Amino acid sequence: SQQGEEDPQALSIQEGENATMNCSYKTSINNLQWYRQNSGRGLVHLILIRSNEREKHSGRLRVTLDTSKKSSSLLITASRAADTASYFCATEGNFGNEKLTFGTGTRLTIIP
Amino acid sequence: DAMVIQNPRYQVTQFGKPVTLSCSQTLNHNVMYWYQQKSSQAPKLLFHYYDKDFNNEADTPDNFQSRRPNTSFCFLDIRSPGLGDAAMYLCATSSFAGETQYFGPGTRLLVL
Repeated sequence: SQQGEEDPQALSIQEGENATMNCSYKTSINNLQWYRQNSGRGLVHLILIRSNEREKHSGRLRVTLDTSKKSSSLLITASRAADTASYFCATEGNFGNEKLTFGTGTRLTIIP
Repeated sequence: DAMVIQNPRYQVTQFGKPVTLSCSQTLNHNVMYWYQQKSSQAPKLLFHYYDKDFNNEADTPDNFQSRRPNTSFCFLDIRSPGLGDAAMYLCATSSFAGETQYFGPGTRLLVL
């Protein structure tokens, strides 16, 4: 299975601190994406990073990609209570099979 | 606003009673996906359509079927729901395969 593993499974931090989540995957990819899911809701796309990119920023989000280690990290700076959610990485393999494979997710709790 | 709509948001059915979940999109995207997500797990892809081309995941049970009568609509039919089919069902779309996916709010299915 190409399913990614996310680390940690759960993370609790104080509001204002930075949160870092990691994702590892098994096979070569075209791109890696991060999604957020609030409890009982659909997923919301956060950022997409392509295999030839090493770092991307979007507001308080910073994503890095290391294809040699088959890993990615998502950093949320200056966390807010509203950032409480589950975060999933998803990879598009370079098989041309038109689908994403989601990781196991990190449950982030921001303590006010 | 362009979006992905799922109806109903909550569906209760009886063991063995067929049920249909619906998804519509105003994004005019080529690709539509159906995922099953159980509590605290990653979304699991059931099917996807690239335009009218249907793609079934190898491990999707025969009990699950899908229809895409036109670009905007996609349906998930569960012929004989079992207790193990209780889950959140997520519909998503993307303009091109492997790119950013846009999710609906999900339908939570309860099987009694």
